[in-house]
Amino acid sequence: SYELTQPPSVSVSPGQTASITCSGDKLGDEYVCWYQLRPGQSPVLVIYQDINRPSGIPERFSGSNSGNTATLTISGTQAMDEGDYYCQAWDSSIVVFGGGTKLTVL
Amino acid sequence: QVQLVQSGAEVKKPGASVKVSCKASGYTFTGYFINWVRQAPGQGLEWIGRINPNSGGTNYAQKFQGRVSMTRDTSVTTAYMELSRLRSDDTAVYYCARNGGQWLGAWGQGTLVTVSP
Repeated sequence: SYELTQPPSVSVSPGQTASITCSGDKLGDEYVCWYQLRPGQSPVLVIYQDINRPSGIPERFSGSNSGNTATLTISGTQAMDEGDYYCQAWDSSIVVFGGGTKLTVL
Repeated sequence: QVQLVQSGAEVKKPGASVKVSCKASGYTFTGYFINWVRQAPGQGLEWIGRINPNSGGTNYAQKFQGRVSMTRDTSVTTAYMELSRLRSDDTAVYYCARNGGQWLGAWGQGTLVTVSP
């Protein structure tokens, strides 16, 4: 089965840039999306089709995908961005999630 | 606006079954797949499967094959996920989510299912 690998944790200082990676075999050939999950809340889509932001998602969120790695970048990170982030892709008709990355803003 | 409203929390004993509902509104119910995803305490997101509300066709993660059943009732724009032979490690928050293209753009509020003797 297809696997997506994320670092368990990433730390960033307020105002700096956070990068969260997601690795998988030939991942660049697939579309990747990213979700933010805060405690007690439902997941929120922050990036879809590698690079697109849904309406209402701040411009500081951006994405890329090439080779075996997709990256979620948060520029000018704010305290409110703290939470868990999950990448997601498809393996035929099956949804695959990465293991999640805890983003700490300190 | 698109809304997915799920049924309330459940407490079940090991070996029992649970059925969670997901009421959709604000869009054409038969036009989008409904997926089911869960998050166990301290764990990540786990995809369970999805249903095509138009045809009733389903795709299930291999892990849940034989133990999960997804159905829908188009007359009340509601999707259902039933998980049988519950174990303690099925304790989790269960979410329904709508497929928008290849992404899950709208999510329900989550339903806590607790499996305890």
